[in-house]
Amino acid sequence: QQPVQSPQAVILREGEDAVINCSSSKALYSVHWYRQKHGEAPVFLMILLKGGEQKGHEKISASFNEKKQQSSLYLTASQLSYSGTYFCGTANAGGTSYGKLTFGQGTILTVHP
Amino acid sequence: NAGVTQTPKFQVLKTGQSMTLQCAQDMNHEYMSWYRQDPGMGLRLIHYSVGAGITDQGEVPNGYNVSRSTTEDFPLRLLSAAPSQTSVYFCASSPGTGGGRRPQHFGDGTRLSIL
Repeated sequence: QQPVQSPQAVILREGEDAVINCSSSKALYSVHWYRQKHGEAPVFLMILLKGGEQKGHEKISASFNEKKQQSSLYLTASQLSYSGTYFCGTANAGGTSYGKLTFGQGTILTVHP
Repeated sequence: NAGVTQTPKFQVLKTGQSMTLQCAQDMNHEYMSWYRQDPGMGLRLIHYSVGAGITDQGEVPNGYNVSRSTTEDFPLRLLSAAPSQTSVYFCASSPGTGGGRRPQHFGDGTRLSIL
């Protein structure tokens, strides 16, 4: 079952902040975040493993609340280069599925000058 | 390193034709997977593999077949192409046997149109 992302789309001006949410109905082992530019392949941003950690580098960070099966991606002081579609991917905890990764439907982020 | 290589990049098929999409990686990754991407649907998992000789179904496996005879290659076969299979197909790989543990490396995609 795919995780659910919100919002579906965000429009920002340079320098503004944004939050993208990802939620699952299943207990999670990990949450991944990827960014995809138009016509290109998805590119890895970060991975969060169960344990309620928060990770980030520079102005992009993420949190993982394993009790709520939710993750949020935080983009601060957005730049034009942040434009693209953001996907969360989730791997369920337990079971014998070898941790297959399923993705949400994506959030389209547009940053204007 | 080439990373994950998908061929062909573009393909047009007629309904009912069969075809194999190729995926090869040179990073010695155990885990490989196939996704299809359609507007508004995100990336949907078709099939995945945790090593040579081991494959399993994802969310949307119907109409597709896979095998994994070597660590490097993971081809995706369309048995009898249908217009509903028009999509962009991505192959991805990662180290280890669990797709959730390590970052996925994606190929550039194959854009497939079925008339």
